[in-house]
Amino acid sequence: DGGITQSPKYLFRKEGQNVTLSCEQNLNHDAMYWYRQDPGQGLRLIYYSQIVNDFQKGDIAEGYSVSREKKESFPLTVTSAQKNPTAFYLCASKISSTDTQYFGPGTRLTVL
Amino acid sequence: AQSVAQPEDQVNVAEGNPLTVKCTYSVSGNPYLFWYVQYPNRGLQFLLKYITGDNLVKGSYGFEAEFNKSQTSFHLKKPSALVSDSALYFCAVRDTTSGTYKYIFGTGTRLKVLA
Repeated sequence: DGGITQSPKYLFRKEGQNVTLSCEQNLNHDAMYWYRQDPGQGLRLIYYSQIVNDFQKGDIAEGYSVSREKKESFPLTVTSAQKNPTAFYLCASKISSTDTQYFGPGTRLTVL
Repeated sequence: AQSVAQPEDQVNVAEGNPLTVKCTYSVSGNPYLFWYVQYPNRGLQFLLKYITGDNLVKGSYGFEAEFNKSQTSFHLKKPSALVSDSALYFCAVRDTTSGTYKYIFGTGTRLKVLA
């Protein structure tokens, strides 16, 4: 899992509540990514950021929001607009000029 | 549209036998291809990548992958499987249409190595 931490490991929330997932890296990587993993669907890109104060929507950004105020941090907020938020969320980072992504250990979100 | 496909949900192989996990791709331009492995309730770990050069790419833990341009495939291989290789394997490709470093992952193949 390298120098990427995600917290918490497990998260439970009631339907209708917003929740923020933390992702921090000490690898001095420029680019950071958020993916959602569901059984049988692989990883789907939610948001990504190539530099501080800039980010782009991925394939399934609806119902999610992010910020990139610091190079080390890329928090993901799952809003009440996300229809089916229960999933395993993975954060990744990489050096901007290379293709190898380093993944965090993931956060399993369960919405009750 | 650019995509990557892993046609097998699960592959079973006996310990000591060679293993192959299949991946095919569809991209415009030159492909940038990757394999990652995921152990239960963990993040993904990088195994190997093909950018250019030799068609046979060697990676971590004794894995290798063969790039075949005519068949648009990038199959993951290992000459002798270990029980500890049992995990979920993902093939990925860089999306070269976006102009950014954005990646498309396959649905994953679960490898089960039987003792």
